[in-house]
Amino acid sequence: RKEVEQDPGPFNVPEGATVAFNCTYSNSASQSFFWYRQDCRKEPKLLMSVYSSGNEDGRFTAQLNRASQYISLLIRDSKLSDSATYLCVVNKGGSNYQLIWGAGTKLIIKP
Amino acid sequence: GAVVSQHPSWVICKSGTSVKIECRSLDFQATTMFWYRQFPKQSLMLMATSNEGSKATYEQGVEKDKFLINHASLTLSTLTVTSAHPEDSSFYICSASYGASYGYTFGSGTRLTVV
Repeated sequence: RKEVEQDPGPFNVPEGATVAFNCTYSNSASQSFFWYRQDCRKEPKLLMSVYSSGNEDGRFTAQLNRASQYISLLIRDSKLSDSATYLCVVNKGGSNYQLIWGAGTKLIIKP
Repeated sequence: GAVVSQHPSWVICKSGTSVKIECRSLDFQATTMFWYRQFPKQSLMLMATSNEGSKATYEQGVEKDKFLINHASLTLSTLTVTSAHPEDSSFYICSASYGASYGYTFGSGTRLTVV
């Protein structure tokens, strides 16, 4: 089992739709969780950290389920500019700040 | 704030030559920087953890004599790909953290093509 698993997609959704995807992680000791977005041939950019209580930033909502060891990302009212690969990132465990990266979920927003 | 500058953005070199990639933290001090490699359609793979003033820690399967890392100051880490071969062609990215809870800032990456 991979340490961090994501559905690679691609998810093709129409503009304005709501889309969500999950990521599972294997190390129950992980403490830090992030969603990054990566555009083609560019470096990853932090989208949001994921907190235990769940957090929202505009059209983006992240949730953490420690019991089932998954995190989710919900995008509402999707825009064409949301098309990217979304990377789930988890720290290796405890206070270890080494990151483990998922392979990413590709999202394509269509007009 | 928390900007990481990485140069060059892309480089094409001949097989057998060496290439140096620089990673600078512009507005914060980074005692630890990370070097990643990403092949097309694959996830970022950590190559090594670069610690200021000490030897880098390499991940399993990464040749330390081939990928030389120097972290001589709190704002600069360099990765040198020695005797590059076509299979070393990849996207190399550095990152640094200014606090684990804030996530990590990435350089813009270096696309290396070895011909």
